[in-house]
Amino acid sequence: AAGVIQSPRHLIKEKRETATLKCYPIPRHDTVYWYQQGPGQDPQFLISFYEKMQSDKGSIPDRFSAQQFSDYHSELNMSSLELGDSALYFCASSLGPSGKEQYFGPGTRLTVT
Amino acid sequence: GQSLEQPSEVTAVEGAIVQINCTYQTSGFYGLSWYQQHDGGAPTFLSYNALDGLEETGRFSSFLSRSDSYGYLLLQELQMKDSASYFCAVRDQGDRGSTLGRLYFGRGTQLTVWP
Repeated sequence: AAGVIQSPRHLIKEKRETATLKCYPIPRHDTVYWYQQGPGQDPQFLISFYEKMQSDKGSIPDRFSAQQFSDYHSELNMSSLELGDSALYFCASSLGPSGKEQYFGPGTRLTVT
Repeated sequence: GQSLEQPSEVTAVEGAIVQINCTYQTSGFYGLSWYQQHDGGAPTFLSYNALDGLEETGRFSSFLSRSDSYGYLLLQELQMKDSASYFCAVRDQGDRGSTLGRLYFGRGTQLTVWP
């Protein structure tokens, strides 16, 4: 069965640079969630989209923005990167906005040097 | 706000049964989920409970008591491959009363299965 696809899988950036993370949800899934997981930490909700509209916003810095496109894929744009942004970024998708079953992608490991 | 408590570590031997407890506090509870995560891997959905009672899926079962704000994950016939972190996560309406369920995760329980 098709899963959530994230690209790139690994990304190394320097401080103050920008990064774009991409997420392709499971086919027919219309809701996308972004989570950030620091080393040894639990995933923290950043933002979600349903039917191409922002549906909820969590602890996402103002330096970050995201959107969902007409084909339901989503991109997380990160600017003015800081060392503390180094983390695993997961995208999850669900069928419908209830999010009872969220299926996670393999994650993008971002390292900021 | 939301908070979840679960043990940080649990160890057991192959073939044994282990129970991972989770207590939570939340403002707008919808349901409790369990996820498994191997080192560096993606969280994998295991179960979801919205109503009180026990849900069984193969070797794994999950229980919820909404009146006690408590749930547990029961793993039976443990196998080495079950060694992983297990997260309970509350599906919540969010601070703005959104009807769309973001997940709030606990800190995770590291399960180690010994031969």
